[in-house]
Amino acid sequence: DSGVTQTPKHLITATGQRVTLRCSPRSGDLSVYWYQQSLDQGLQFLIHYYNGEERAKGNILERFSAQQFPDLHSELNLSSLELGDSALYFCASSPRTSGSLRADTQYFGPGTRLTVL
Amino acid sequence: AQKITQTQPGMFVQEKEAVTLDCTYDTSDQSYGLFWYKQPSSGEMIFLIYQGSYDEQNATEGRYSLNFQKARKSANLVISASQLGDSAMYFCAMRERASNYQLIWGAGTKLIIKP
Repeated sequence: DSGVTQTPKHLITATGQRVTLRCSPRSGDLSVYWYQQSLDQGLQFLIHYYNGEERAKGNILERFSAQQFPDLHSELNLSSLELGDSALYFCASSPRTSGSLRADTQYFGPGTRLTVL
Repeated sequence: AQKITQTQPGMFVQEKEAVTLDCTYDTSDQSYGLFWYKQPSSGEMIFLIYQGSYDEQNATEGRYSLNFQKARKSANLVISASQLGDSAMYFCAMRERASNYQLIWGAGTKLIIKP
């Protein structure tokens, strides 16, 4: 158990709908990352938050948004869902974003499996 | 050009044998970090081992060790005495300043341990 929690574990919804994925980082971790893993695209970095502030964006669609709250949990909002958004969505946390950045290890939650029908 | 290359899409290994999973990387940074993660069929992504570019010793964590050859830019994962539970996807990843320290991932190697 990495200490990162994600809810829900599974989500089935229809095209055009909006969903919210939730992530609680490990105790003390200030950084939260979101990833999408699909069969055809592999693991794609979406976005990184540090202590409530957005730090980096990856291949995140405009239909997707995220935020990190004062208690450090994070939510990923996916709207106008399409069939191609079906994937495993991971949240990861790490202790810091300064100092020994190269050694800053990310610990992953169990993922939310999203199925869009 | 690929930053992280894992040339073995799949491997079959007999139980109790050692296995080496290949990873080569491309960076012009002097300071970078290399990571290996395991993803079993259940889906979770599990951190296994880390190697820093300045570390003089190869990293070890239990049955996992990292064969780090800096001049060759390779960071192969070695699993000793493989077990059935080692069957999973294995991903190599890198953090470097040139990529703003975001993790860059390889495509993964699917390892199947045969009884």
